Amino acid sequence: ETGVTQSPTHLIKTRGQQVTLRCSSQSGHNTVSWYQQALGQGPQFIFQYYREEENGRGNFPPRFSGLQFPNYSSELNVNALELDDSALYLCASSLVGPDTGELFFGEGSRLTVL
Amino acid sequence: DAKTTQPNSMESNEEEPVHLPCNHSTISGTDYIHWYRQLPSQGPEYVIHGLTSNVNNRMASLAIAEDRKSSTLILHRATLRDAAVYYCILLSDNNNDMRFGAGTRLTVKP
Repeated sequence: ETGVTQSPTHLIKTRGQQVTLRCSSQSGHNTVSWYQQALGQGPQFIFQYYREEENGRGNFPPRFSGLQFPNYSSELNVNALELDDSALYLCASSLVGPDTGELFFGEGSRLTVL
Repeated sequence: DAKTTQPNSMESNEEEPVHLPCNHSTISGTDYIHWYRQLPSQGPEYVIHGLTSNVNNRMASLAIAEDRKSSTLILHRATLRDAAVYYCILLSDNNNDMRFGAGTRLTVKP
């Protein structure tokens, strides 16, 4: 167990709706990254937050947005949901710097858009 | 971004060593080589990482070619619990976003 918790674990939405996914980081970690994983594919980087500021973004439209709070927990918000947004959304916490080595992933929130 | 190439799938017998290859011919001098694995219905988990020298930890060993254009993750004795998708990822020291490819799906046969 990594100490990273995500909620909800599963949810179903319809096209056009909005969703908020939540992530609680491992204690002491100041960086949170969000990934989208479609069925049968590797995780795709959405964005990263470091000390409450966005610190890098992948190829995702602006309707994907996020927040990081002073306690380093984080939210991923997706507006105007589309069918292709159906995926497993993964949160990972870490300390800044690649030589720290390790991203700690939660078990994900599985979103189904109908 | 420097990219990695891995075989789509590999098979191994239980209790035998497994060598998972990764090619990264466009690696830059500041890129670290990271390996993660994802077991069914779980998030990815860290396995090992290195820069130039070979690395060992309790889970695996990482062998890095002298020119750093390829690396090999070594599981010394595969168990059924090692069946997972293994991802090889490059991460530079000025870039914190870890970009996953499709990975190698390892099947371990009893």
